[in-house]
Amino acid sequence: DAKTTQPPSMDCAEGRAANLPCNHSTISGNEYVYWYRQIHSQGPQYIIHGLKNNETNEMASLIITEDRKSSTLILPHATLRDTAVYYCIVRVWGLTGGGNKLTFGTGTQLKVEL
Amino acid sequence: GAGVSQSPSNKVTEKGKDVELRCDPISGHTALYWYRQSLGQGLEFLIYFQGNSAPDKSGLPSDRFSAERTGGSVSTLTIQRTQQEDSAVYLCASSPRGIITEAFFGQGTRLTVV
Repeated sequence: DAKTTQPPSMDCAEGRAANLPCNHSTISGNEYVYWYRQIHSQGPQYIIHGLKNNETNEMASLIITEDRKSSTLILPHATLRDTAVYYCIVRVWGLTGGGNKLTFGTGTQLKVEL
Repeated sequence: GAGVSQSPSNKVTEKGKDVELRCDPISGHTALYWYRQSLGQGLEFLIYFQGNSAPDKSGLPSDRFSAERTGGSVSTLTIQRTQQEDSAVYLCASSPRGIITEAFFGQGTRLTVV
């Protein structure tokens, strides 16, 4: 799986958009970008994933650059409950190629403040 | 319940003792995973069960670690002769089709070996 680089921490005011960057310059053509988050004392939670088109769901939006070497997770109206560590990973979809080993780095600690 | 349930949520044990950690996956999910997360670290894969297939034990760090999944549902992770380096959060996840990126995680068991 391709390596990702994220800033260790970010702050965001409540109600504002949180934009979390991720660099994945060695991403392969068949690798997807996945975002997870882990709120303190809880297990990881899937947020969103994409291949090359921008994606949006009820939790967030994912913007992937045209060359696919970086992406941004956007929480449009951050709340205090969004304070968590956010992980960006790239891997092939499905069982083959990536197997069952989900590897997270150290992620970005997002702190949402009043 | 609707989610993956793990018990106990916290466990403190003395070095050298054996511990058992339990995971109740989401009903109907064929795949079950165990991961652990040490303080400030990412996820470390331990073991994977899929249906009636032989489990993938490639992530177990030593022969002190073992896991069972009875009846294709509940799983128990056993650590024998615990060591201080075993202290971590042990996370269980289940997925409906054996694809890790579709998995739902439990809240984990925080194991502290003193």
